[in-house]
Amino acid sequence: GAVVSQHPSRVICKSGTSVKIECRSLDFQATTMFWYRQFPKQSLMLMATSNEGSKATYEQGVEKDKFLINHASLTLSTLTVTSAHPEDSSFYICSAREGRGRSTDTQYFGPGTRLTVL
Amino acid sequence: AQKVTQAQTEISVVEKEDVTLDCVYETRDTTYYLFWYKQPPSGELVFLIRRNSFDEQNEISGRYSWNFQKSTSSFNFTITASQVVDSAVYFCALSEAYGNNRLAFGKGNQVVVIP
Repeated sequence: GAVVSQHPSRVICKSGTSVKIECRSLDFQATTMFWYRQFPKQSLMLMATSNEGSKATYEQGVEKDKFLINHASLTLSTLTVTSAHPEDSSFYICSAREGRGRSTDTQYFGPGTRLTVL
Repeated sequence: AQKVTQAQTEISVVEKEDVTLDCVYETRDTTYYLFWYKQPPSGELVFLIRRNSFDEQNEISGRYSWNFQKSTSSFNFTITASQVVDSAVYFCALSEAYGNNRLAFGKGNQVVVIP
């Protein structure tokens, strides 16, 4: 099956710093990647949809200046949490859609990044 | 708007018992996709199944089976003869068939299999 990796798997940072999370599709090209966040014992909340070579589309209520998304190639998307604060502490998960935008495409998920802001 | 409801928050079963997870969805689309994902304690979501709205055949994969009832907008998941390794959170999700195929997730079912 399709494999998606995320790096780092876990990060602890001080309040006010920026953190970059990478999402890579290892054995397929992904024209679209998605970023989710998940609070403890809750469901996944879609933050943004990232299409290769264009600006990300953010969900309502997600600050685009706070969560910078770059999708520079067909195998890599990055999420940068700028000026992180304790309330940004969460589990961030990316997914990549295999295929080239067909309706039959399935999303495959990365292992997630646990961000803790002190 | 799309919505997925998984009413049972936490389900505990004794090993070897069967467990059924209910999923009810709402959508205005005539074409859509339904998914089940497993999230073990490690956190990574594991894809289990995708079903399109035109395929109402039930499916069996080992100890897993799925019952798609379009008439009741349900896509239920049964684990037969549960094992401790089945302990995880299971998410049902719905995707639009066009555009970016954004997924709408249910709240998840925490399954605890007691040895």
